[in-house]
Amino acid sequence: TQLLEQSPQFLSIQEGENLTVYCNSSSVFSSLQWYRQEPGEGPVLLVTVVTGGEVKKLKRLTFQFGDARKDSSLHITAAQPGDTGLYLCAGGEGSSNTGKLIFGQGTTLQVKP
Amino acid sequence: DTAVSQTPKYLVTQMGNDKSIKCEQNLGHDTMYWYKQDSKKFLKIMFSYNNKELIINETVPNRFSPKSPDKAHLNLHINSLELGDSAVYFCASGGTGGVGTEAFFGQGTRLTVV
Repeated sequence: TQLLEQSPQFLSIQEGENLTVYCNSSSVFSSLQWYRQEPGEGPVLLVTVVTGGEVKKLKRLTFQFGDARKDSSLHITAAQPGDTGLYLCAGGEGSSNTGKLIFGQGTTLQVKP
Repeated sequence: DTAVSQTPKYLVTQMGNDKSIKCEQNLGHDTMYWYKQDSKKFLKIMFSYNNKELIINETVPNRFSPKSPDKAHLNLHINSLELGDSAVYFCASGGTGGVGTEAFFGQGTRLTVV
C-alpha cells in the first residue's frame, strides 16, 4: 500500500515568514500534486509535478519533486494571511493509469497578520 | 458555471436511513470519483468511474452504491446509514487517467448521521 506522510501537520506563523511543507513516501509515484483546501470547500489543485527533480513556481510558492519521485516539498516565501488553509499532497499511483490519487494527511497552515 | 457540483451540501439523517448524494460535472471529463474526508481531514478514494464503468472500488462497504447514468453524472447512494458514515464526501472529475491526471473537486457534502 502506498502512503504519503506530510509534515508538519500544523503550522502557525507570522505574516512575512517563510515555510516548507514536506511530503514523503517509501513508494514511487507517477506524479505528485499539491492541493489547497479552504473550510467548507473542496480541494483546489495548485500544481502537478511529473518528472523527478522537477521544480515549479507559482508566485511565492515553489514546488519540488524528488529525484526518485518518492517525495515532494512546498515552499512558501513571505507568507500572507491569504495563504491560510489546508495543504494536501497527493500522489498518482506508480503503475496504473486509473487517475487514483493517494493523499497525505494534510498540513494546516495559519498565517497571522 | 460550477465545474463539479454536488447536492446537497449538508445532510443530517438518522441511523438506518437511506440517502443519496448527486454529482454532476460540466468539464467534459471521462472519469469521476467519490472521495471521503474524515474528521482528521484525511481524504481517501472510494470509487472511480470511467465512461460509466466502475474502475476503482476501494473496499467500501456494499451499503455504498455508486451509479453513473452518463459520464457527466456520478451519484452515491448509501443504505442503512451508520454513525461511522459521518464525514464529508467529495465528488471529483478528471481526465482519462494516466500520469499526472488532475482531479477537480466539488464543494463537498457534509453527512451527519445521528
